[in-house]
Amino acid sequence: DGGITQSPKYLFRKEGQNVTLSCEQNLNHDAMYWYRQDPGQGLRLIYYSQIVNDFQKGDIAEGYSVSREKKESFPLTVTSAQKNPTAFYLCASSTGQGAHGYTFGSGTRLTVV
Amino acid sequence: GDSVTQMEGPVTLSEEAFLTINCTYTATGYPSLFWYVQYPGEGLQLLLKATKADDKGSNKGFEATYRKETTSFHLEKGSVQVSDSAVYFCALRLNFGNEKLTFGTGTRLTIIP
Repeated sequence: DGGITQSPKYLFRKEGQNVTLSCEQNLNHDAMYWYRQDPGQGLRLIYYSQIVNDFQKGDIAEGYSVSREKKESFPLTVTSAQKNPTAFYLCASSTGQGAHGYTFGSGTRLTVV
Repeated sequence: GDSVTQMEGPVTLSEEAFLTINCTYTATGYPSLFWYVQYPGEGLQLLLKATKADDKGSNKGFEATYRKETTSFHLEKGSVQVSDSAVYFCALRLNFGNEKLTFGTGTRLTIIP
């Protein structure tokens, strides 16, 4: 079955370290997205990519970086410049058609220790 | 710009009660409308959608009708269960132009036995 896979499910980071969150999809979707969710809060868009080798900043891109070298993969790096990285991170993908919505992964919970 | 306004939460109901979660929207074009559900510690799952005016989306006993005249997409269920406890997000996406999903802030629903 097609889907979108995030790994790992839980991730611990020491202060000052960069960490990379994985997101892979086999839905043949062109667009992929990264969101951050804080406890009891809604979704905030970090980065998105509508096509391979191209991506755009979302609302809270500072302290994060991404790459889109393959259609299937959209990894997110949380850099040491992100001062408050503890959060739940969600990856999503979609076609370019508005009626189809997004398919979400199961999320990665990042904790700074 | 586009926006989605959801009923403020949290909402607490007894099992078998009737549920309504209000959602209204503003859109610069012609949108599709979605309800997503997020269970604790998980990603978002598409619950139902409607792609044009007067369409009714339904799934798992939940329903919502696309009302263009009132720009609304209220979520309803006739008899809720404890397993319906989750966070519910209303969202819109324009049908043309490969636009992003616009989310509401989410409504936390708790069902007590």
